[in-house]
Amino acid sequence: KAGVTQTPRYLIKTRGQQVTLSCSPISGHRSVSWYQQTPGQGLQFLFEYFSETQRNKGNFPGRFSGRQFSNSRSEMNVSTLELGDSALYLCASSWLGQGFETQYFGPGTRLLVL
Amino acid sequence: AQSVTQLGSHVSVSEGALVLLRCNYSSSVPPYLFWYVQYPNQGLQLLLKYTSAATLVKGINGFEAEFKKSETSFHLTKPSAHMSDAAEYFCAVSDASGGSYIPTFGRGTSLIVHP
Repeated sequence: KAGVTQTPRYLIKTRGQQVTLSCSPISGHRSVSWYQQTPGQGLQFLFEYFSETQRNKGNFPGRFSGRQFSNSRSEMNVSTLELGDSALYLCASSWLGQGFETQYFGPGTRLLVL
Repeated sequence: AQSVTQLGSHVSVSEGALVLLRCNYSSSVPPYLFWYVQYPNQGLQLLLKYTSAATLVKGINGFEAEFKKSETSFHLTKPSAHMSDAAEYFCAVSDASGGSYIPTFGRGTSLIVHP
């Protein structure tokens, strides 16, 4: 079974631009979560989607948004990029998104904002 | 509410020595606990998880962790470190507080293995 895939793997943008990251979960998984990882803040939860609906949301500004499609693939969008948005963005999937389940992580998209 | 504290942002051991990475959690209900490993430029990979079965949990690559409710701890150990164990390790806790199953991660511990 293929793992979680994220595209692109690396991205360079400039301040003020917007960016869209993509995540394809493991086949059959319906929950997709997004995390931002930075040296200073560690792993921070962005949001979780389940069956095309945002089920949970972390404490991030409205510039960060996401969506999930009927095939469970998910995208996250960051508008008006700031230097502080430079980070590794990780996507994780699980079958139902229940607490006892293992989340399977993708390799991440490394975003650099100049 | 739930939280995780990993003591020591860096742990350095010699190859062949015992590995001990500490994790303490806070949870209002019985928790689910996880240890993940992250190798450079990669995502997180599950090492092991505790879901209220045996308190001693065995994982991959020779790692194990013991759930101690009285100490609210879930420390990760390995009897003999290998150079390939050098990586970042994250402890995570998850419960159903408020209907959210989102795990909370610790800040991570970087394991350095010396030859």
